[in-house]
Amino acid sequence: SYELTQPPSVSVSPGQTASITCSGDKLGHKYVCWYQQKPGQSPVLVIYQDTKRPSGIPERFSGSNSGNTATLTISGTQAMDEADYYCQAWDSTTYVFGTGTKVTVL
Amino acid sequence: EVQLVQSGAEVKKPGESLKISCKSSGYNFTSYWIGWVRQMPGKGLEWMGIIYPGDSDTRYSPSFQGQVTMSADKSINTAYLQWSSLKASDAAIYYCARPAIAAAAYNWFDTWGQGTLVTVSS
Repeated sequence: SYELTQPPSVSVSPGQTASITCSGDKLGHKYVCWYQQKPGQSPVLVIYQDTKRPSGIPERFSGSNSGNTATLTISGTQAMDEADYYCQAWDSTTYVFGTGTKVTVL
Repeated sequence: EVQLVQSGAEVKKPGESLKISCKSSGYNFTSYWIGWVRQMPGKGLEWMGIIYPGDSDTRYSPSFQGQVTMSADKSINTAYLQWSSLKASDAAIYYCARPAIAAAAYNWFDTWGQGTLVTVSS
């Protein structure tokens, strides 16, 4: 079965850039989206179709996808961005979520 | 406004049956698939399956095939997830979520329910 691997944790200082990777075989051939989940809350879509931001998502969130790796980048990270982040892709029969990354803003 | 409102928390014993719900509003219920996602305590998101309320076409993740049943009632815009015999390992938060593209089963989830906490304990 298809797997998406993320680093368990990423630490970032306020105002700096956080990069979260998502790795999978030929992932660049698929569309990737990203969800943010804060404690006790439902996931929220922050990036879809590799690079697009839904309405209401700050511009500091951006995405890319090439080769075997997709990346979510948070520029000028704020304390409110501390959360778990999940990548997700799909094929013709299955949704696949990444393993999740906890972003800590120190 | 598109909304998915899930039923409340449940406390059950092993072996009991359970049916949780996800009521949709703000869009044409029969035109969009509804997915279910499990999150076990302290763990990540797992896709369970997806149902198209328009014709009840259902696709299950191999990990959940035969373990749960998904259904939908078009008359009240509600999707369901049910178990016939719960196990302790079914304890989790269950989310319903709507894919963004009408009539397309697989894309990205742009709307999520608030989650239903299921506790299974003797």
